[in-house]
Amino acid sequence: GAGVSQSPRYKVAKRGQDVALRCDPISGHVSLFWYQQALGQGPEFLTYFQNEAQLDKSGLPSDRFFAERPEGSVSTLKIQRTQQEDSAVYLCASSLDLAIITYNEQFFGPGTRLTVL
Amino acid sequence: GIQVEQSPPDLILQEGANSTLRCNFSDSVNNLQWFHQNPWGQLINLFYIPSGTKQNGRLSATTVATERYSLLYISSSQTTDSGVYFCAVEDPSGTYKYIFGTGTRLKVLA
Repeated sequence: GAGVSQSPRYKVAKRGQDVALRCDPISGHVSLFWYQQALGQGPEFLTYFQNEAQLDKSGLPSDRFFAERPEGSVSTLKIQRTQQEDSAVYLCASSLDLAIITYNEQFFGPGTRLTVL
Repeated sequence: GIQVEQSPPDLILQEGANSTLRCNFSDSVNNLQWFHQNPWGQLINLFYIPSGTKQNGRLSATTVATERYSLLYISSSQTTDSGVYFCAVEDPSGTYKYIFGTGTRLKVLA
């Protein structure tokens, strides 16, 4: 596709439910990032993939958060047993192969707004 | 970790006015981007500018990496320029993630 796409755009979950958020990166982009943006703040890093390898997950706030990218393209961020503090916008970004070049321009999707009741 | 500070935090302009947004960062960085987050939440790439000066229409940006700051200039502002402007720098620890500043919230009045 022309840009990064994410689905769903909006998700309402009851506390304790599991959710799955999807990201389709720009075609040919090897590097993929997830960020979390709380209301009124800048995005904060969650995790990073190079192809299918998850190279950095230091930003995941708890073991309830899990991300995968099994075929090196589409990625899914899963949150288990959602809590109210998980309410935020979840942004996905992609860029070229950062293992080869230092040109790290990241392009962001529209985000998924998660509300946990 | 690296700190990224933006100023001013809020800015109100009359349509047609010019403005300068500033981004200071506390450590050397290899990459820097400016984004505009529109009222629908989409982050739009304005500039990828680790150093030097770039211009795109009414917008221009300058990064002085040795002095650890970047500036975004908006000339002849329009109501569609409203939104939040973020500066983001690549974490110097080498993990390629971006650290975002606190943002400048801009409102342009007709």
